[in-house]
Amino acid sequence: AQKVTQAQTEISVVEKEDVTLDCVYETRDTTYYLFWYKQPPSGELVFLIRRNSFDEQNEISGRYSWNFQKSTSSFNFTITASQVVDSAVYFCAKAGTASKLTFGTGTRLQVTL
Amino acid sequence: GAVVSQHPSRVICKSGTSVKIECRSLDFQATTMFWYRQFPKQSLMLMATSNEGSKATYEQGVEKDKFLINHASLTLSTLTVTSAHPEDSSFYICSARVQVYGYTFGSGTRLTVV
Repeated sequence: AQKVTQAQTEISVVEKEDVTLDCVYETRDTTYYLFWYKQPPSGELVFLIRRNSFDEQNEISGRYSWNFQKSTSSFNFTITASQVVDSAVYFCAKAGTASKLTFGTGTRLQVTL
Repeated sequence: GAVVSQHPSRVICKSGTSVKIECRSLDFQATTMFWYRQFPKQSLMLMATSNEGSKATYEQGVEKDKFLINHASLTLSTLTVTSAHPEDSSFYICSARVQVYGYTFGSGTRLTVV
């Protein structure tokens, strides 16, 4: 199976700190897509970003930024100036040619005052 | 756009009974629907993939006779947990593929079997 690994199980930061969530994936596909989702306590999945394997440009959206490095099979996610509302579980996921989404194990982020 | 409505959001049932979970695509046609299960503090695990009008494809280790999936129309897919037991208590979530490699998710169903 082509795994998605999120080595950080839980991260705790104080508000306004920057935090990076790591994601490393395995793939045999030439074309694939990478995703990040946020899952608040309510359980719903909130889409954050989709990136295709041919686009290694980093992306910034407000306080969020993503660093895609194909050479190291990593797709890391950074939250700048974290806020309490950022507290959630964050999942990295990959879809290959079979189009099934494979999720990482998730990183639980706790932002405290 | 591309909203999937999932019901019920919570259900409690007695052991041995069956429970049906529905996912409806509200503003698009969902030819492919994915069903996931998530145990507490764990990741989402794909249970099965269904295509409209054909039999679902189940992942290894998922009992197809226990988790019945019906995708009879382009806007409705259902998951029925038959003869539910406490170990089936979990969070179930559906997902539809939209365009190429895009996905939209239902809001999930928290099933508790007592």
